[in-house]
Amino acid sequence: EPEVTQTPSHQVTQMGQEVILRCVPISNHLYFYWYRQILGQKVEFLVSFYNNEISEKSEIFDDQFSVERPDGSNFTLKIRSTKLEDSAMYFCASRTGFTGELFFGEGSRLTVL
Amino acid sequence: ELKVEQNPLFLSMQEGKNYTIYCNYSTTSDRLYWYRQDPGKSLESLFVLLSNGAVKQEGRLMASLDTKARLSTLHITAAVHDLSATYFCAVDRGGQGGSEKLVFGKGTKLTVNP
Repeated sequence: EPEVTQTPSHQVTQMGQEVILRCVPISNHLYFYWYRQILGQKVEFLVSFYNNEISEKSEIFDDQFSVERPDGSNFTLKIRSTKLEDSAMYFCASRTGFTGELFFGEGSRLTVL
Repeated sequence: ELKVEQNPLFLSMQEGKNYTIYCNYSTTSDRLYWYRQDPGKSLESLFVLLSNGAVKQEGRLMASLDTKARLSTLHITAAVHDLSATYFCAVDRGGQGGSEKLVFGKGTKLTVNP
């Protein structure tokens, strides 16, 4: 069964460092998302991406964050200068159409020290 | 702003019992999703409810949607230990350019005791 894959599964970084989280969405999907979940809390929307551009972003997604689809298969989330409060599980998700089921990856746990 | 509220947030129940988790949302939407999350794991899609009156069942779980009341329920029948997990409902907010982001509730942590 096709699945969304994410790497790395866990990354530990120092505050102020740049981090790139990678995702390979399901191949025929057109809509891509990043969500995050701070430990024990609810899942929060970060950004949606369609047709090679950001469709919508939340207030969390400030200038330190960026997304890219560099090669037609990967979908990356970059945090330019990490802060302690960026520590969370980051989930990539994709779907075929905007009313379709949303499939989530296994997540990338980011720990900022 | 769309708000999604689940209750209860914590639920401890005995095996064999029935219970219902409620999900209320604040603005009109015709699409509601239920997910299961095991500790440290990803979100597993359980149900996609796409219209008023939709009812779906899978094993011991049954989900329903009442768009007029802005309410969805997740009913657990004869609970077993394997159902212990956190259950999230999520509602399509209706984004710009067809992004249709999901807004999640806080989750219901279910513990089923022998």
